[in-house]
Amino acid sequence: QVQLQESGPGLVKPSETLSLTCTVSGGSMRNYYWSWIRQSPGKGLEWIGYIYHSGRTHYNPSLKSRVTISVDTSKRQFSLKLSSVTAADTAVFYCARLGGDFYDSVTYDPTHFDSWGQGALVTVSS
Amino acid sequence: SYELTQPPSVSVSPGQTARITCSGDALPKQSAYWYQQKPGQAPILVMSRDTERPSGIPDRFSGSSSGATVTLTISGVQAEDEADYYCQSSDTSGSFYVFGSGTKVTVL
Repeated sequence: QVQLQESGPGLVKPSETLSLTCTVSGGSMRNYYWSWIRQSPGKGLEWIGYIYHSGRTHYNPSLKSRVTISVDTSKRQFSLKLSSVTAADTAVFYCARLGGDFYDSVTYDPTHFDSWGQGALVTVSS
Repeated sequence: SYELTQPPSVSVSPGQTARITCSGDALPKQSAYWYQQKPGQAPILVMSRDTERPSGIPDRFSGSSSGATVTLTISGVQAEDEADYYCQSSDTSGSFYVFGSGTKVTVL
């Protein structure tokens, strides 16, 4: 069963760039979509964006100007960068795998989040 | 932007039935998924494609769909079911993922 683990600094200064990495174990990264989701304190879940194993990305329009997601399949990792952070970006950040129905052995329609990391709290403060 | 609407809270006595609704304009076209989240933990998938229960999820969890509303039902609620529940779907293009605001289920 695939497992995901977030890592990165827990404290970031305002106006700087938040960086997190997700390490994938127990399964292949190939042919899957990998995503970042955040949850502000006491609030709900917000999808940030996804990356396909090939490097193709798609971002939430509300964050698109500040988000970059990258992948390194040789290291079994994908990463999130969120620039120009403010206190409003303080959140628990989750990495997750997008699941769905496979049309064939390599192609599927990503519809939901079937595996999650435990989450990483990132606080934006000076 | 696309939104999914859930009630903020549902309270139920042990052994009774809890029903959590989720409404959204695209739900007649797009499937809904439900996640359970307990304090300090990551969400886990408890219902897939409106009505399909993932492996390992107790059969007291069931899902239904009617038009623009989907419902997660917990029959014979147990204390361990106390948690936040989020519905999730996508917009009509299928490329924007959205979560409902969450429903806190309290077992009295």
